Amino acid sequence: ELKVEQNPLFLSMQEGKNYTIYCNYSTTSDRLYWYRQDPGKSLESLFVLLSNGAVKQEGRLMASLDTKARLSTLHITAAVHDLSATYFCAVDIIPGGGADGLTFGKGTHLIIQP
Amino acid sequence: DTAVSQTPKYLVTQMGNDKSIKCEQNLGHDTMYWYKQDSKKFLKIMFSYNNKELIINETVPNRFSPKSPDKAHLNLHINSLELGDSAVYFCASSHHGSGGATDTQYFGPGTRLTVL
Repeated sequence: ELKVEQNPLFLSMQEGKNYTIYCNYSTTSDRLYWYRQDPGKSLESLFVLLSNGAVKQEGRLMASLDTKARLSTLHITAAVHDLSATYFCAVDIIPGGGADGLTFGKGTHLIIQP
Repeated sequence: DTAVSQTPKYLVTQMGNDKSIKCEQNLGHDTMYWYKQDSKKFLKIMFSYNNKELIINETVPNRFSPKSPDKAHLNLHINSLELGDSAVYFCASSHHGSGGATDTQYFGPGTRLTVL
């Protein structure tokens, strides 16, 4: 059974600090997705990482993928309150992607305090 | 413009009732999905439809049935609702097999179902 594990599941940090969320998965997938969800809202796509060594950055968020280690990281630089949300990583149920849907991690609930 | 829309946004109903949730996407995608998010925020896929063909059904009770009248719509019908069906249901859509960034799934706003 495909497993996607995130840690930590809960993170409280102060503005201005740096931190990393980790996502481990159990398949040979070379593609990984990061989503953000605000309370009571939908999921917003942040990054799609398509190959080993892929690195993408948007503002204070940077995501990377190591397919050999089956590990992705989401790094937060100089956190600001607006980044408070739940962050999910996900992988294709069938490696290589397509129409089979995603398996999600349990999510990391991030609170950034002033 | 709304890319993936769902109706209703909230649905409160009694046990044993039958209800439907509608989903429409205007992105021209060929694959649509239904996910269930439980009270602990855990997301699990229920169904996916590609070109009106069911691709996967993740051991969902047969009380749940997806219906796709065309590529732009995937409705979810639920019979004999149970307390455990209370959750947020998300519809999503994507391109199949394009290999690029467009393979990301775009999610609708969600339908919060409460079964009393």
